[in-house]
Amino acid sequence: LAKTTQPISMDSYEGQEVNITCSHNNIATNDYITWYQQFPSQGPRFIIQGYKTKVTNEVASLFIPADRKSSTLSLPRVSLSDTAVYYCLVGAGLNAGNMLTFGGGTRLMVKP
Amino acid sequence: EAQVTQNPRYLITVTGKKLTVTCSQNMNHEYMSWYRQDPGLGLRQIYYSMNVEVTDKGDVPEGYKVSRKEKRNFPLILESPSPNQTSLYFCASSLVAGGSYNEQFFGPGTRLTVL
Repeated sequence: LAKTTQPISMDSYEGQEVNITCSHNNIATNDYITWYQQFPSQGPRFIIQGYKTKVTNEVASLFIPADRKSSTLSLPRVSLSDTAVYYCLVGAGLNAGNMLTFGGGTRLMVKP
Repeated sequence: EAQVTQNPRYLITVTGKKLTVTCSQNMNHEYMSWYRQDPGLGLRQIYYSMNVEVTDKGDVPEGYKVSRKEKRNFPLILESPSPNQTSLYFCASSLVAGGSYNEQFFGPGTRLTVL
């Protein structure tokens, strides 16, 4: 399993764009990159998933460079409600029999 | 409403008293999993199940058992709980399709305290 490294914490202000980078130097060819969001005392919630280049949905964008050794989750114009822990996961798919490993995550604090 | 439910949500018990935490999903998902979350350690996978009657160990399986007799249910069993199993537990499920990394849906969590 590819190990991931993320900053432990980040601070931001309302209305700013937040970029959280995850390093995964030993990512395998068939691995995907997935990000989850977790609020206190709740289960994680899927945000976005990608394999290469750029993926965008209604809540975030995911940028993956050509070498795929890192990825950046971009949250546009954050609000106080985006204060949460964000996890980066790398894996080849559940039907590949891989265990799913969450790292320590990045604790994002959005200030008014 | 599509969801993963867990019961109980909160449980305080004593060392050695067997307990079961139930997990049920109504999305016809093949994949189900249990995690525990501890301060500073993030989420760690305990057991997972690819389908009925198919289970496998995760990162921290010691002291836990699971069963998958029906597709919708995946109970977590602690035969002889110990204080180091005090934690927040999450059940999750996912529809396994194709080769991509599938979205997991998490339950609300069960906070277990073992005295």
